[in-house]
Amino acid sequence: EDQVTQSPEALRLQEGESSSLNCSYTVSGLRGLFWYRQDPGKGPEFLFTLYSAGEEKEKERLKATLTKKESFLHITAPKPEDSATYLCAVQDDDYKLSFGAGTTVTVRA
Amino acid sequence: GAVVSQHPSRVICKSGTSVKIECRSLDFQATTMFWYRQFPKQSLMLMATSNEGSKATYEQGVEKDKFLINHASLTLSTLTVTSAHPEDSSFYICSAANRGRGEKLFFGSGTQLSVL
Repeated sequence: EDQVTQSPEALRLQEGESSSLNCSYTVSGLRGLFWYRQDPGKGPEFLFTLYSAGEEKEKERLKATLTKKESFLHITAPKPEDSATYLCAVQDDDYKLSFGAGTTVTVRA
Repeated sequence: GAVVSQHPSRVICKSGTSVKIECRSLDFQATTMFWYRQFPKQSLMLMATSNEGSKATYEQGVEKDKFLINHASLTLSTLTVTSAHPEDSSFYICSAANRGRGEKLFFGSGTQLSVL
């Protein structure tokens, strides 16, 4: 069974204070690892897909990296608008996603 | 990017009634749709997978007679919560995929169901 563990559960940052979120996973036949952002009361918003170890992707202040066992989402110089819950998910060959519980990030001005 | 529309966004119903939630892919054909539920401060839990024109595949522990899924066309899937009870109150989210467009899933905005 695919398993995804995210840490920490919650992260409180000062504006401009960079940090990283961790996503550890076990999966048989990884098709891709996904990062999503979810705001309260809304569906997940796609951020990145990573397919192989060593891959990196960036979008504005976010950078995602992937190894064979985990992925990191780095937030550089965050702003209050980066406050959200960040979800990690692994996808198997049937396109089925298994989600982690998420990391709730709060950025204070 | 692709858009998935989910309706309604919020519904309040009495215990014992049935509620239908619609999920539409607006600009692509969704060969596969997934239904998730999410409890407060918890992650998304997959309930079922539906492929257009065939019966849905339910995850272990999900009652298929209670959560009826219909995927009659390539742009529409519906989830009907039958004889809803307070414990069915949750946030329900659909997602859609088109294998010809790669692995990325597109999510609806979710439906908050409250059963009184």
